[in-house]
Amino acid sequence: NAGVMQNPRHLVRRRGQEARLRCSPMKGHSHVYWYRQLPEEGLKFMVYLQKENIIDESGMPKERFSAEFPKEGPSILRIQQVVRGDSAAYFCASSPRYLRLSYEQYFGPGTRLTVT
Amino acid sequence: DQQVKQNSPSLSVQEGRISILNCDYTNSMFDYFLWYKKYPAEGPTFLISISSIKDKNEDGRFTVFLNKSAKHLSLHIVPSQPGDSAVYFCAAKGTSRQGNTGKLIFGQGTTLQVKP
Repeated sequence: NAGVMQNPRHLVRRRGQEARLRCSPMKGHSHVYWYRQLPEEGLKFMVYLQKENIIDESGMPKERFSAEFPKEGPSILRIQQVVRGDSAAYFCASSPRYLRLSYEQYFGPGTRLTVT
Repeated sequence: DQQVKQNSPSLSVQEGRISILNCDYTNSMFDYFLWYKKYPAEGPTFLISISSIKDKNEDGRFTVFLNKSAKHLSLHIVPSQPGDSAVYFCAAKGTSRQGNTGKLIFGQGTTLQVKP
C-alpha cells in the first residue's frame, strides 16, 4: 500500500512565478491536510480538504495561495507570484476519515520550495 | 500565539539510556495529542498518541505521559537507540465542539541525538 506521494520533491521558482505542488493521498484516504514548515520552526496548518470541498482554510494566507482536491487526481496547492518568504517545506498529510479513533495523519515526504 | 511548545531545542543521550522529550500546551480544550518523528528530508512519521481522557499510553519502547493539570506531556524512549536520532514533534488536536476540523497544532520540535 503506497504511502502519501508528493511531487515534485524539490521546486525552484523565481520571484513572481507560480508554484504548483501535488499530493496523492494514501489509497482509501479521502481527507487531505497541507502544512508548511519554515526553517527552524514546526509545521503550521494551512488547509484541510475533502474530495471537491475545502473544509478548513483558516491557515491559508489570504492572497496568492489556493488549494483544491478534485474528484479525480491529486490535491494541488498553488502559490501565485511567489516571494522569497514562501521558501519552505510543504507537507501533505492524509487520513481515512475525520472521526477516526486515533486521529493519525500520514505525511508525505514534502516538497521543498526555494524562491530565488 | 504558540499553543504547543517544546522548550528544549535539542537533547543528547547515551545509547541504552532513557530519552525524555517534553511538551507544554496552553489550550485546555485540546483532546488528543500525538508524537511524530522526523528524519531530514523526509515527512513526519507517526509514533504514538494519547487521548485527553488518559494519562499514559505505551507502545514498545515508547511511552507518552499526559498531565492535564499541568498541561504537559512527555515522551519516554527506553532504551534509546542510535536510530532514534531525529527531530521529535508533539502535536495537539482541538475538539470538534470548538469547530476543530482535525487539524494538528505542532510544537517547534526537539532534536534528539543518541550517542553509541
